[in-house]
Amino acid sequence: AQSVTQPDIHITVSEGASLELRCNYSYGATPYLFWYVQSPGQGLQLLLKYFSGDTLVQGIKGFEAEFKRSQSSFNLRKPSVHWSDAAEYFCAVGGTGGSYIPTFGRGTSLIVHP
Amino acid sequence: EPEVTQTPSHQVTQMGQEVILRCVPISNHLYFYWYRQILGQKVEFLVSFYNNEISEKSEIFDDQFSVERPDGSNFTLKIRSTKLEDSAMYFCASLAGPYNEQFFGPGTRLTVL
Repeated sequence: AQSVTQPDIHITVSEGASLELRCNYSYGATPYLFWYVQSPGQGLQLLLKYFSGDTLVQGIKGFEAEFKRSQSSFNLRKPSVHWSDAAEYFCAVGGTGGSYIPTFGRGTSLIVHP
Repeated sequence: EPEVTQTPSHQVTQMGQEVILRCVPISNHLYFYWYRQILGQKVEFLVSFYNNEISEKSEIFDDQFSVERPDGSNFTLKIRSTKLEDSAMYFCASLAGPYNEQFFGPGTRLTVL
C-alpha cells in the first residue's frame, strides 16, 4: 500500500528566508508525486508534479521539488518565502493504476513571519 | 482556464437529514472523485467514479453514501442520513486520464448539527 509521511506539522519561517518542506513516501513501483497547496477556505491547488524524467521539478509560485528515489523523498523548496505563501501544503503519492487515486500526507502548515 | 466547481459552498443540516453535494467536473475529464477533510486533519479519499460506475471506495464510504452522475455534467455525493461526524469539507476532483493530475474544486463545508 502506498503512504506518505510529512514529518513536520508546522513550519515557521521569516519572510525572505528559504523553505524546505519534507515528504517521504512508500510505494512499490515508480510513483507519481505531487505537492498541493491549500490556502484558508480554499480548495487544493497543484504546485508541481513528478511523473518521470528530470528529478528536479519546477512548479508555480517559485516552488521546486526534488525526487530522490534512494531516500524515498520528494521535498518541496522555495529560495525566498513570501507572506502570501502561508498555507497548508500537502504531499501526495499516486500510482499508475487505472483508478489513479493519490494518497495524501497529513499536511504541513506554513507560518510566515514578517 | 477550466475549473471544477462545487455547490453549495456551505451546507448546514440537522442530524439525520439527507444532503446532496454537487460538483461540475471539467468537461473532458473521465475520472471523478470525492474526498473529505475533517477540520485539522488530512484529506481522505471517499470514492472514485469512472465509466458511470464506482471504481473504488474507501471504508469511509459506507451505505449512507452514494454518488451519481445524473447527466453529462454533474457529479453528486449524497449522504442519506447525516451524522455529527460527517461534518467536514468535501472536495470533488476530476482527472482527464492516466499521467495527468487531479483538479480539485473549492469544496463544500458541511456542518451537521
